[in-house]
Amino acid sequence: EDKVVQSPLSLVVHEGDTVTLNCSYEVTNFRSLLWYKQEKKAPTFLFMLTSSGIEKKSGRLSSILDKKELFSILNITATQTGDSAIYLCAVTLDAGNMLTFGGGTRLMVKP
Amino acid sequence: DAEITQSPRHKITETGRQVTLACHQTWNHNNMFWYRQDLGHGLRLIHYSYGVQDTNKGEVSDGYSVSRSNTEDLPLTLESAASSQTSVYFCASSDRLSYNEQFFGPGTRLTVL
Repeated sequence: EDKVVQSPLSLVVHEGDTVTLNCSYEVTNFRSLLWYKQEKKAPTFLFMLTSSGIEKKSGRLSSILDKKELFSILNITATQTGDSAIYLCAVTLDAGNMLTFGGGTRLMVKP
Repeated sequence: DAEITQSPRHKITETGRQVTLACHQTWNHNNMFWYRQDLGHGLRLIHYSYGVQDTNKGEVSDGYSVSRSNTEDLPLTLESAASSQTSVYFCASSDRLSYNEQFFGPGTRLTVL
């Protein structure tokens, strides 16, 4: 059975801290891994990773994939209260266009 | 601008009633998906479609059905609503390339009493 596990489940930090969110997966025929941010409404796309070791970066957010160890991390530096959200990790497989999601990490950034 | 919309945004219904949630996208995407989101479970796939007249069951399809009569719409029907189907429902779409991101609608909060 395909499985995507995120850790930690939740995290509380203060503004300015750096956080690392983890996503591990056990799936057959892996194709890509995606990160989404979900505030009050719909998930919004952050990154898609298909190759090991290549960092994707957008402002204070960055992510990298390790296809040998089957995990990805999402880093957020100099956190702001606006980073408070649920961060979702999902994988796609060669055999279809569906996303298999992890349970999410709830991040709260305190002022 | 292209978008994906869901209606209604909030719905309260009673056990045993049939309920239909609408999803409409204007990106001309071939692929459309329905997920439910519950605490502790993340997003779970209910049904999906890769094109007109194509529908497929996802991880948690029992009690739900979909139909795809055109590219833009994928309505989700709960045949006989149960309290266990109280959840937030998200519709998503993507183009036909499997590695492309999915775009999500704003969600429908459904309460079954």
